[in-house]
Amino acid sequence: DSGVTQTPKHLITATGQRVTLRCSPRSGDLSVYWYQQSLDQGLQFLIHYYNGEERAKGNILERFSAQQFPDLHSELNLSSLELGDSALYFCASSPSDRFDEQYFGPGTRLTVT
Amino acid sequence: AQKVTQAQTEISVVEKEDVTLDCVYETRDTTYYLFWYKQPPSGELVFLIRRNSFDEQNEISGRYSWNFQKSTSSFNFTITASQVVDSAVYFCALSELGSNYQLIWGAGTKLIIKP
Repeated sequence: DSGVTQTPKHLITATGQRVTLRCSPRSGDLSVYWYQQSLDQGLQFLIHYYNGEERAKGNILERFSAQQFPDLHSELNLSSLELGDSALYFCASSPSDRFDEQYFGPGTRLTVT
Repeated sequence: AQKVTQAQTEISVVEKEDVTLDCVYETRDTTYYLFWYKQPPSGELVFLIRRNSFDEQNEISGRYSWNFQKSTSSFNFTITASQVVDSAVYFCALSELGSNYQLIWGAGTKLIIKP
């Protein structure tokens, strides 16, 4: 158990809908990262927050947004969902914003039908 | 250009064989860190090791060992006496100032250990 929690574990929704994925980092970690992993694909970095501030953006679509709250938990919002958004979404956390190992949550498996 | 290359897409060996997973990286920074992660069939990503660019000593942890060679920009991972439970996708990653410290991931190597 990495100490990072993600909810929900599974999510099935229809095209065009909007969903929110939630992540709680390990105790004491200030950074939260979001990744997308499609079937048989590598990890695609989406976005990084450090202590409430956005630090870096990766291949995140405009339909996706995220935030990190004062209690350091983070939410990833996916809207106008398309079939291609079906994937495993991981959250990871680390103590600082540089050179740390990242600890991953169990992931949320999103299925868009 | 790929900054982290894992050229072996899939490796299949019989249990008890030794196996080495290759990782070649590219960076202009003098300070950087390298990582290995394991993703078993259950899906979670498990951190295995972090190594900084100034420490070229080989690391051994049980049946796992890592060989870091700056001269060839490689950070290879060897599993000795492999077991079925080692079956997983293994990812190598790089963190450097030039990429704002974000982890740059290799494509992963799928390791299959046959009983």
